[in-house]
Amino acid sequence: GEDVEQSLFLSVREGDSSVINCTYTDSSSTYLYWYKQEPGAGLQLLTYIFSNMDMKQDQRLTVLLNKKDKHLSLRIADTQTGDSAIYFCAEGEDYKLSFGAGTTVTVRA
Amino acid sequence: GAVVSQHPSWVICKSGTSVKIECRSLDFQATTMFWYRQFPKQSLMLMATSNEGSKATYEQGVEKDKFLINHASLTLSTLTVTSAHPEDSSFYICSARDRKVTTSTDTQYFGPGTRLTVL
Repeated sequence: GEDVEQSLFLSVREGDSSVINCTYTDSSSTYLYWYKQEPGAGLQLLTYIFSNMDMKQDQRLTVLLNKKDKHLSLRIADTQTGDSAIYFCAEGEDYKLSFGAGTTVTVRA
Repeated sequence: GAVVSQHPSWVICKSGTSVKIECRSLDFQATTMFWYRQFPKQSLMLMATSNEGSKATYEQGVEKDKFLINHASLTLSTLTVTSAHPEDSSFYICSARDRKVTTSTDTQYFGPGTRLTVL
């Protein structure tokens, strides 16, 4: 089976950058994903990266992929209070996803 | 954007009773819906894949007689936890795949989840 691991908590000061890290084991995944879950809401797809890419930038979000080390990271620039949420890393094929346990990001003033 | 709802959002029941959880795609048709289970501080675990008009496909280790899934229409799938016990207490999340979207990236839309507590 596939294992996806990520740290459980991250505390960051408003305005600073947040970096959430993830490691995975299945190297065959075509895409890797980052989801955001706010309290009481479903998971929302934030961004994804194709497995043959090293980096993808989307406004404040930067995804880095090190396929050799099976390491994925999500950087949020200028973190805001609205970024407080649980962030899930996921990988998979054909709509069958394996998720990490989620990183709870807390933004402090 | 695509919206998926779940009902109820939380439920408390006595041991031995059955509980039904609904998952609806509100503004799109979903040929495929997925049911996940999430324990505290743990990842979402895929329980089963529900295809409209056919039997669900269960993941290894998931009891199909315990977790009954019905996907009777393109907008509704239900998960029934039969004879629930305290160990079934968990957060159940559904997601739906938009039948119109054919890109290769994942286009699952997730519901807000249902918190089940079995006493």
